Amino acid sequence: GAVVSQHPSRVICKSGTSVKIECRSLDFQATTMFWYRQFPKQSLMLMATSNEGSKATYEQGVEKDKFLINHASLTLSTLTVTSAHPEDSSFYICSAGDGARGPYEQYFGPGTRLTVT
Amino acid sequence: GQSLEQPSEVTAVEGAIVQINCTYQTSGFYGLSWYQQHDGGAPTFLSYNALDGLEETGRFSSFLSRSDSYGYLLLQELQMKDSASYFCAGPNDMRFGAGTRLTVKP
Repeated sequence: GAVVSQHPSRVICKSGTSVKIECRSLDFQATTMFWYRQFPKQSLMLMATSNEGSKATYEQGVEKDKFLINHASLTLSTLTVTSAHPEDSSFYICSAGDGARGPYEQYFGPGTRLTVT
Repeated sequence: GQSLEQPSEVTAVEGAIVQINCTYQTSGFYGLSWYQQHDGGAPTFLSYNALDGLEETGRFSSFLSRSDSYGYLLLQELQMKDSASYFCAGPNDMRFGAGTRLTVKP
């Protein structure tokens, strides 16, 4: 199957700083990528849909000025958590589909565990 | 939007068969996908149904009935490594159900 990578896998930052998370599709092009956050023992909560070459679409309740998404190429989307606070500590996961089965089959990155101190 | 409901936990023994149900409410429906997630890992794709009926993929099968707004994931010949969380998801808006935690006991 297709491979999606994320970097970094873990990051610890101080409150008030910004953190950038990268999501890359390694062997396919993705015009659309999805960003999720997941708290322990909970489901994946869709944060936003990242669209190559255009603005991201954010889910209700997700602050677009706090969670900046850039999808500058067909293989890279970035999520920047600005002015991070301890409540932003979570597991952030991206996904992308390679088009073969459209949105039905998403490939997920390994996730980024963010801890804000 | 879309709402998907699943049981929170299921327990079964090795070698058994288990069915994880998913009921949904949606204004626009394009099928169901199923994902597996082990603790600390990322979700991996298992199966999907765009149309009614049963899709078989090895030990895992998935079923969909659009008239009943219902689907299920069937896991056969359970193994200890199948202990994980299982999510149904709606591909039209990429929302996930709350997940079902499966525990396989010896």
